[in-house]
Order: sequence, then structure tokens, then C-alpha cells
Amino acid sequence: DQQVKQNSPSLSVQEGRISILNCDYTNSMFDYFLWYKKYPAEGPTFLISISSIKDKNEDGRFTVFLNKSAKHLSLHIVPSQPGDSAVYFCAASGGSARQLTFGSGTQLTVLP
Amino acid sequence: EPEVTQTPSHQVTQMGQEVILRCVPISNHLYFYWYRQILGQKVEFLVSFYNNEISEKSEIFDDQFSVERPDGSNFTLKIRSTKLEDSAMYFCASSRDTPEQYFGPGTRLTVT
Repeated sequence: DQQVKQNSPSLSVQEGRISILNCDYTNSMFDYFLWYKKYPAEGPTFLISISSIKDKNEDGRFTVFLNKSAKHLSLHIVPSQPGDSAVYFCAASGGSARQLTFGSGTQLTVLP
Repeated sequence: EPEVTQTPSHQVTQMGQEVILRCVPISNHLYFYWYRQILGQKVEFLVSFYNNEISEKSEIFDDQFSVERPDGSNFTLKIRSTKLEDSAMYFCASSRDTPEQYFGPGTRLTVT
């Protein structure tokens, strides 16, 4: 039951360029979306979120875009830095439920 | 900056034994959660806890699992009789009355 999907297991980007990570969801009840970053042997670290009433949210180098009609969101990192190399998880919650449903993650590698 | 802490970082136990995983959530947070990640799989929701009772639980959270907030700071997950398939990273998380959840570093549980 893949309600949240990240179809790219890995992505490599040159330092200074844009990284675009994608996420699709199937459950129409989801109304809040979050991106987490995870280093090996650490817990997920919250990065940025977006409510379904918005289509864009920006925080420094990170911007999340939401396309509700396509049930698609993306995380843009500009400019990418080597320290951004990590696994990025998309997560969603909805209605009265607080539980997060996670995607499978995308390993981002930023090359110096 | 306040953080969620978890102990131990690694727990090895024999099948059939009871284990207790401990978490100290962020102090002004109201909601507490446990998630797990089996190696190579997604992060999965187990249970959420609010106002001293379980508010949501997944199918994974069966009678072998229990949670408790024994005092004003700790939040524990107990597995009564561990199975090989319980081997995973267990993450504790906490949140205010917002969807953003903040995760601890995790406890690696190895059942032999």
C-alpha cells in the first residue's frame, strides 16, 4: 500500500546547481506534507512543510511545491551544497490523523 | 535547541525477551510517537500518545507492544516477547499541536 511514493531512489547533483526531489501521493485525505532529511545512524530531521491550502513554501535554500491536482510535490534545493548529501523523505498526514506516512526516500549526493 | 533523546542507542536481545526502549521528548511538546524502520524499508508509524492515552495505532502495534509515560519526561515503548522480525530502528518523535514531528536519533534493536 504505497500511499506516498518517491520513485527515484538516488539523485546526483553538482555543487551549486539545483536539486529537485519528487514525491507522489495517492490518498486524497492527505492535507499536510513534510520533507525530512536523514543522515546514516541519525533520526529524520524536519526540513520544511506545506499545507494543502498552499502551493509553495520557501525557507532559505529550500522550497517545496505542491500540485494538488496531480497529487505531486517536489523539494527544490538551491544552491546545492555537499553537506546536503543525505536521504530525503517525503511524508504526509491528513484529516484528524497525526500519523505520518513516509515515502521510501531519495539518496541525494552533491558532488564537489 | 531542544532535542528528542533516546536510550539505548543499540539494544541486543534474545527472541522471547522483553525490551523497553526509552525516549525523552521535547519538554513543551504534547504529542508523542513511535515509528520503526526495518532495514531497507520505509519508516512506519506504530503509535501516537496524547493526554496519557493512545490516540492512534497501526496494525503493527499489536498486543505485544505497549507505551507508557511513567513520569513527566519519559516516554517508553515495551515489546513483551520479541520476535526476529522486531529487529529494526525504532524512532521516537514528539510535536506541539502542529503536524511537524521532531525525531530522536533512534534505537537499533537486534533480536537474535
